[in-house]
Amino acid sequence: EAGVTQFPSHSVIEKGQTVTLRCDPISGHDNLYWYRRVMGKEIKFLLHFVKESKQDESGMPNNRFLAERTGGTYSTLKVQPAELEDSGVYFCASSQSGGKPQHFGDGTRLSIL
Amino acid sequence: QKEVEQNSGPLSVPEGAIASLNCTYSDRGSQSFFWYRQYSGKSPELIMSIYSNGDKEDGRFTAQLNKASQYVSLLIRDSQPSDSATYLCAVNRGSGGYQKVTFGIGTKLQVIP
Repeated sequence: EAGVTQFPSHSVIEKGQTVTLRCDPISGHDNLYWYRRVMGKEIKFLLHFVKESKQDESGMPNNRFLAERTGGTYSTLKVQPAELEDSGVYFCASSQSGGKPQHFGDGTRLSIL
Repeated sequence: QKEVEQNSGPLSVPEGAIASLNCTYSDRGSQSFFWYRQYSGKSPELIMSIYSNGDKEDGRFTAQLNKASQYVSLLIRDSQPSDSATYLCAVNRGSGGYQKVTFGIGTKLQVIP
């Protein structure tokens, strides 16, 4: 069984540019989560999809972040325009329904210059 | 007060010893608890989940939960150099099958050969 995959593994962009991160969850997992880890801080929740619907987006920092999960399969997280404080590692996780544990991808390391 | 508290370490133990990792949480309504292991540059990997008070053993790992004290721990017996990693405590505050997970900052474990 393939795990959670994220693309790209690294992204370096300049302030003001746009970046789109992608997450492919484990097949059959209805729940998809996005998290971010800023250097030296805890992994922080961003949002949660159940299939194609946003269940909870209380962790999204501001309206420069847009997450989508069209068709309930893969998800994208777009940052537009990127700011310096958006740098960090963005993790995606997925889980089966019923409160099952989450499985994480390797993350996308985003650096804003 | 942080929602999930961990000592960031590093915690150094000699090979073959027992490593004891601790975590406290603030939300008394938390329902489930997880320990993730994260090697540098890799995804957090679920190693233990615990849902009720007491001990849960899996191989060399034992998770302990005390809801009255709001305390979770992970014991690693016969520590090996390959156990050197950061161990993340994660607490689920969701209910009804919905997960809202908060992470601690992680404890870095170093097992000295």
